[in-house]
Amino acid sequence: SQTIHQWPATLVQPVGSPLSLECTVEGTSNPNLYWYRQAAGRGLQLLFYSVGIGQISSEVPQNLSASRPQDRQFILSSKKLLLSDSGFYLCAWSGLGEYTDTQYFGPGTRLTVL
Amino acid sequence: GQNIDQPTEMTATEGAIVQINCTYQTSGFNGLFWYQQHAGEAPTFLSYNVLDGLEEKGRFSSFLSRSKGYSYLLLKELQMKDSASYLCAVRDPLINAGKSTFGDGTTLTVKP
Repeated sequence: SQTIHQWPATLVQPVGSPLSLECTVEGTSNPNLYWYRQAAGRGLQLLFYSVGIGQISSEVPQNLSASRPQDRQFILSSKKLLLSDSGFYLCAWSGLGEYTDTQYFGPGTRLTVL
Repeated sequence: GQNIDQPTEMTATEGAIVQINCTYQTSGFNGLFWYQQHAGEAPTFLSYNVLDGLEEKGRFSSFLSRSKGYSYLLLKELQMKDSASYLCAVRDPLINAGKSTFGDGTTLTVKP
């Protein structure tokens, strides 16, 4: 069966510090991968998605970046965090399952920028 | 682009039935998902509709009308654990991207 991991679960970082969040998927190959951010009480905002190694599409302009160095690894980064980067960050994967493109989410990282 | 509308909040009583509506205006349509998200947790998949009609899965059912750009999620025999946010998501018409656009979610509170 497929599993998706994210770490860390929670993170408190000062403004201007760097960020690296990691996501890995097990039990599937060549998944589509996604990074979302969710503000408190709001829906999911798609930040980046990837259909293959080294292929990254950005959905919104921001000071975040994403990379996919391996087939089942997706990394979200920032060189200098802003207060507005606080939120709940979710990684998801989709692929050929019962319903193609159903997204399966990792447990999320709650980021607080102070 | 995609525009998805859901009510922000709903309240219902344990044991009752509740219907959560979702309307969408999209440049293309390849299916609609419903996800459940408990507070502080990740969303989990509930249902998928691509053709008109009702899909039933135990206590949960989802309905789609493509001509009206409308879907609903029906929850029967409500339990306290059904208190959560319910997200409607429309699948992107670019099939190979696998993307979906999410609504802001409907927060359902089930009261005793």
